[in-house]
Amino acid sequence: SQTIHQWPATLVQPVGSPLSLECTVEGTSNPNLYWYRQAAGRGLQLLFYSVGIGQISSEVPQNLSASRPQDRQFILSSKKLLLSDSGFYLCAWSNGGRYNEQFFGPGTRLTVL
Amino acid sequence: AQKVTQAQTEISVVEKEDVTLDCVYETRDTTYYLFWYKQPPSGELVFLIRRNSFDEQNEISGRYSWNFQKSTSSFNFTITASQVVDSAVYFCALHSSTSGTYKYIFGTGTRLKVLA
Repeated sequence: SQTIHQWPATLVQPVGSPLSLECTVEGTSNPNLYWYRQAAGRGLQLLFYSVGIGQISSEVPQNLSASRPQDRQFILSSKKLLLSDSGFYLCAWSNGGRYNEQFFGPGTRLTVL
Repeated sequence: AQKVTQAQTEISVVEKEDVTLDCVYETRDTTYYLFWYKQPPSGELVFLIRRNSFDEQNEISGRYSWNFQKSTSSFNFTITASQVVDSAVYFCALHSSTSGTYKYIFGTGTRLKVLA
C-alpha cells in the first residue's frame, strides 16, 4: 500500500530564516506531487505541483520554491521566511491513473515569529 | 474556468441529527472527477469518496451518502445520525485531466460541529 510522509510535523522559525520541508511517497512510482498551504481556518492554496523529476509548476509567485530531486521526493524551500509564510503545509500525491484521487500527508505546521 | 463552491461556512447540529453539506461545481469539461475529503482537528485530509462524471449513481457508505446531480452541477454529502466524531472540516474538490491540467480545485470547506 502507499504511504506519504512529511517532516517535520511542527516547526517554529524566525523571520528571515531558511526553510526546508520534505515529503516522500512510498509504494508507488512516478506520482504527481503537490504542495498546498492552509492558513488558519482557511481553505487549501495550491503552491506547487510536479509531474516528474525536475518538473515543477508554480501556482503562486512568492518566496517559496520546490524541488523534486527523486521520483518520490518533493521538497519545499525558502531562503528567507516571512511572517505570512505561517500556516499548515500539506503534501499530496496522485497517480493520474484510473482513480485520480489525491492522498495527503499528515502536514507540517509552520509558525514564523 | 473551473470552480467549486461550498456556500456553507459552518454548520452546527446536535448529535443524531442528519446533516447535508452542499457542493456546487463549474467545469466545461465532459470528463471530470469529484471528491470529498474530511479534515479532522489533527489536520490531515482524509479521502472519503470519488465520483466520475459518467457515474451519477448515488452512493451510500454506512452513515454517509452522496448525491451527484449533473443537471444542477451538485455533489452533496449527507451524514445520517451524526456523531461527535463527525466534527471536522469537509472539502469538496474537482479534477479534470481532459483540460491538460493536473490541478485539483478545492472548495473553501464546511466546518461541521456536532454537539453532544
